[in-house]
Amino acid sequence: DARVTQTPRDKVTEMGQEVTMRCQPILGHNTVFWYRQTMMQGLELLAYFRNRAPLDDSGMPKDRFSAEMPDATLATLKIQPSEPRDSAVYFCASGPGQVDGELFFGEGSRLTVL
Amino acid sequence: GENVEQHPSTLSVQEGDSAVIKCTYSDSASNYFPWYKQELGKRPQLIIDIRSNVGEKKDQRIAVTLNKTAKHFSLHITETQPEDSAVYFCAASRGNQGGKLIFGQGTELSVKP
Repeated sequence: DARVTQTPRDKVTEMGQEVTMRCQPILGHNTVFWYRQTMMQGLELLAYFRNRAPLDDSGMPKDRFSAEMPDATLATLKIQPSEPRDSAVYFCASGPGQVDGELFFGEGSRLTVL
Repeated sequence: GENVEQHPSTLSVQEGDSAVIKCTYSDSASNYFPWYKQELGKRPQLIIDIRSNVGEKKDQRIAVTLNKTAKHFSLHITETQPEDSAVYFCAASRGNQGGKLIFGQGTELSVKP
């Protein structure tokens, strides 16, 4: 049963600390998405990649957020420095390619910044 | 860019009743419209989708309708059951952006036994 894997599942940190979230997409999927979920904003698209190349990161605060895909099996989302308003659940999702279809979500990383 | 509006934000129905959730989109180039269900503390999962060349699609108790002229689409759940209680998200995509989905704000559906 292929699944998107995210770590950590839960993270509590203090304001100003660096946070790194990791995602392993489903093997063979070539598109990877980072979404942020809050009560107020629903599911916001932060960034996405196709074949490891960043296609769109316009939803991401550039001064503190960065997203990378060092290889086809790993996507990272980094926040430095973190702020209380970054508290949210961060979902990674992967998809099979250029044709629209189902996105497969990971279980999410719940981030709390104190 | 695309903007998706979803209504209502909360919906409460009695078991056995029908539930309808509506979404509108802004980008006339969008041509793929999925619906995701998210149970409490879980990940969103696809339940049904529709493409712009189809006006309606059904899968057992759920159906989706699309009006391209008006740029709106709806999710219909009949004979609701307590296990249908969840947050439902609509989304829209252009079809040439590798699956990029823009989501609505979500509807929290509560089915009362």
